[in-house]
Amino acid sequence: GAVVSQHPSRVICKSGTSVKIECRSLDFQATTMFWYRQFPKQSLMLMATSNEGSKATYEQGVEKDKFLINHASLTLSTLTVTSAHPEDSSFYICSADNTLVSGHYNEQFFGPGTRLTVL
Amino acid sequence: AQSVTQLDSHVSVSEGTPVLLRCNYSSSYSPSLFWYVQHPNKGLQLLLKYTSAATLVKGINGFEAEFKKSETSFHLTKPSAHMSDAAEYFCVVSDPNSSASKIIFGSGTRLSIRP
Repeated sequence: GAVVSQHPSRVICKSGTSVKIECRSLDFQATTMFWYRQFPKQSLMLMATSNEGSKATYEQGVEKDKFLINHASLTLSTLTVTSAHPEDSSFYICSADNTLVSGHYNEQFFGPGTRLTVL
Repeated sequence: AQSVTQLDSHVSVSEGTPVLLRCNYSSSYSPSLFWYVQHPNKGLQLLLKYTSAATLVKGINGFEAEFKKSETSFHLTKPSAHMSDAAEYFCVVSDPNSSASKIIFGSGTRLSIRP
């Protein structure tokens, strides 16, 4: 149980184009979803937190107009990287949280990640 | 404020020898603590978690960790390393009283296994 999927697993795009990444909780409803970014040989950096039906909360330094987050349902959140540039190339990981699944311990269930390469 | 420190950025051990990955935390409350493993170009897999029950926590693949409040530590151990254990390991702390559900990642420890 508590499986999170991401699609696509890998994407290569040209500079200036937009890319959408989907995050789905497959067997539970996610009260909260999180988006992380990971540069090579570094830890995960939280980009934003989103709750279904409300605007995402972005971490300091993350451009909300560049990284659009839509949490349309309790099982789906999307991250759109708009007008992508080579510096946006990174590994993007989503996670989902549900206290009914994890108790009140803030355990997050992680997707497998999406490797974005912007040429 | 919460924080987590992984004391070693890289640990190298020989196959069959013990593994020790160190983690210290800082939290105003009784925290929840997690260890995750990440293989190259893969997502995170939960190894084990401490949630205020038993202080010695057993996880998958023979890993275990002991919560020591007096030392504010949650070190990860394994009696005998296997080649497949080579990966990046993250210690994570969470405040269960936080309504934001955020977790804090350590900087990670890369574990290498020598044949």
